[in-house]
Amino acid sequence: ETGVTQSPTHLIKTRGQQVTLRCSSQSGHNTVSWYQQALGQGPQFIFQYYREEENGRGNFPPRFSGLQFPNYSSELNVNALELDDSALYLCASSGRTGDPEAFFGQGTRLTVV
Amino acid sequence: DQQVKQNSPSLSVQEGRISILNCDYTNSMFDYFLWYKKYPAEGPTFLISISSIKDKNEDGRFTVFLNKSAKHLSLHIVPSQPGDSAVYFCAASAGYGGSQGNLIFGKGTKLSVKP
Repeated sequence: ETGVTQSPTHLIKTRGQQVTLRCSSQSGHNTVSWYQQALGQGPQFIFQYYREEENGRGNFPPRFSGLQFPNYSSELNVNALELDDSALYLCASSGRTGDPEAFFGQGTRLTVV
Repeated sequence: DQQVKQNSPSLSVQEGRISILNCDYTNSMFDYFLWYKKYPAEGPTFLISISSIKDKNEDGRFTVFLNKSAKHLSLHIVPSQPGDSAVYFCAASAGYGGSQGNLIFGKGTKLSVKP
């Protein structure tokens, strides 16, 4: 059974640019959630996807968007990057929507300069 | 407004002793609580959880206690081992079994277990 994998592990972008982060969910899991973890904070919920549809969203602006593919892998896209977007972005998968026991990837460290 | 609070940023314990990590919450709609452990450069790892219909759940050295009236939960690690040194996050969910399983996290407590 493969775990949750994210790519890339580290990324440096310039303010105003766009970025795409990728996540492969754990085998057998159909729900993917994305979280942003700023330095010294706990992870904050961005949104969740279930069977390719957005299924819940946290307090993040529309420039944060996502996709889930038929194989349940997922992308997080952030447009018009701001310095405050610098954070660790975590992807988590769970077996079904509403299942709170999520399994996390190692994260992507995004630095916006 | 923080719905899940971990008021102790750090905790230092001697190997073999008990570690007690605390967590408070404000939202009475939370019905499922989880603890995650995080090492540097890794994602959070699920540790143990508890449903709001229980007041205790045990898994090996780890026990989670839930006091619903006080909106408080705690994680006990007995005995503590140096490998337990990590950041521990408390998380809560409102809607277990429903359409949204998003987790609300505290800021974490850094546990150091000294040999």
